[in-house]
Amino acid sequence: NAGVTQTPKFRVLKTGQSMTLLCAQDMNHEYMYWYRQDPGMGLRLIHYSVGEGTTAKGEVPDGYNVSRLKKQNFLLGLESAAPSQTSVYFCASSRRREGVTGANVLTFGAGSRLTVL
Amino acid sequence: EDKVVQSPLSLVVHEGDTVTLNCSYEVTNFRSLLWYKQEKKAPTFLFMLTSSGIEKKSGRLSSILDKKELFSILNITATQTGDSAVYLCASRGSNYKLTFGKGTLLTVNP
Repeated sequence: NAGVTQTPKFRVLKTGQSMTLLCAQDMNHEYMYWYRQDPGMGLRLIHYSVGEGTTAKGEVPDGYNVSRLKKQNFLLGLESAAPSQTSVYFCASSRRREGVTGANVLTFGAGSRLTVL
Repeated sequence: EDKVVQSPLSLVVHEGDTVTLNCSYEVTNFRSLLWYKQEKKAPTFLFMLTSSGIEKKSGRLSSILDKKELFSILNITATQTGDSAVYLCASRGSNYKLTFGKGTLLTVNP
């Protein structure tokens, strides 16, 4: 199994440009998440989804949009990139049901490093 | 707002030393606490704890949760250079989100 796959792995943008990060999981997980990781800040939740067609805001949602049209995919969009969005972005997924082995355990993708000039 | 605090933020030890990493949490309707290890890329899962006082163990790593005092510790005995990483603690409440701490950077010198 591939697990969680993120594309692209690296991207450099100019301020004001837009882009989309794609996350795909093949584990049939219900929940999916986008985090950003900055030095000294740990992992901060941007948006998450508890199922196909549903999304919700996390801690730091401003400047980002997401969509989950298919269960296996979770897209993170930057409409107008800003230097403050320079970061490493991680997608993750997990099972839903309480009590199911592995529930609540997030499986992470390898990360996408984004630089905004 | 859910909160997770890890200490120390960084730690340098020699091979063979034993280390203890700390994690305190404030979570509405606590469900579980998780530890992850992060080397170069994605965090990898170590332990999930839901019950107080029950130690989880895997080789030289072990972890325990105290739900009364709202903290967890991660112990690593006989450290090796391969243990060098950022160790992340995360808690889950009644919503579906994991709240992460800032991590502890562990450096093990030969």
